[in-house]
Amino acid sequence: QKEVEQNSGPLSVPEGAIASLNCTYSDRGSQSFFWYRQYSGKSPELIMFIYSNGDKEDGRFTAQLNKASQYVSLLIRDSQPSDSATYLCAVQGSGNTGKLIFGQGTTLQVKP
Amino acid sequence: DTEVTQTPKHLVMGMTNKKSLKCEQHMGHRAMYWYKQKAKKPPELMFVYSYEKLSINESVPSRFSPECPNSSLLNLHLHALQPEDSALYLCASSPSGGHYGYTFGSGTRLTVV
Repeated sequence: QKEVEQNSGPLSVPEGAIASLNCTYSDRGSQSFFWYRQYSGKSPELIMFIYSNGDKEDGRFTAQLNKASQYVSLLIRDSQPSDSATYLCAVQGSGNTGKLIFGQGTTLQVKP
Repeated sequence: DTEVTQTPKHLVMGMTNKKSLKCEQHMGHRAMYWYKQKAKKPPELMFVYSYEKLSINESVPSRFSPECPNSSLLNLHLHALQPEDSALYLCASSPSGGHYGYTFGSGTRLTVV
């Protein structure tokens, strides 16, 4: 079992729709959870982080965490063509090593 | 300054060359990282420096040699690389540990010929 799993996609949604990206992780001691956006040929950009169970909203983005189910998700409301990118889920495992473990990434395509 | 600056942006080197990648941050972050990313794959951790000391080496071949001269600078020295080492090399920093996530630099696109 991979430490952090994501559906590689592509996930295709029409412009204006809600995009839902999912991630599961194996280490129950994981403490911090991140979503990065990566455009083709560019470096990853941090867009959301969440530490506590529940929802965290920032503009059009909502991160959801369920530690009991070892599940993290990212919702993007009112999706725009500029949201088309690869979204990487990253998890900081137990222990304070500083190491983030990345999922394989989900490619999102928003069609006009 | 909220940036991590990497130089050069692109590098082509022969298998017998020696080159260095440079990374600089002025955010006061005390942890710095080197990641390697191949096309359509997630970033893979290579090295972690915490308070200027190497804390994690993910069994990286010795042809990659990291150096942290001070709290703002991180270098990656390259020697006798192989074509399969061609990748995007990403530097990142964080306040301490990874609890607040990383800030990534724009990366160095390395091609080994």
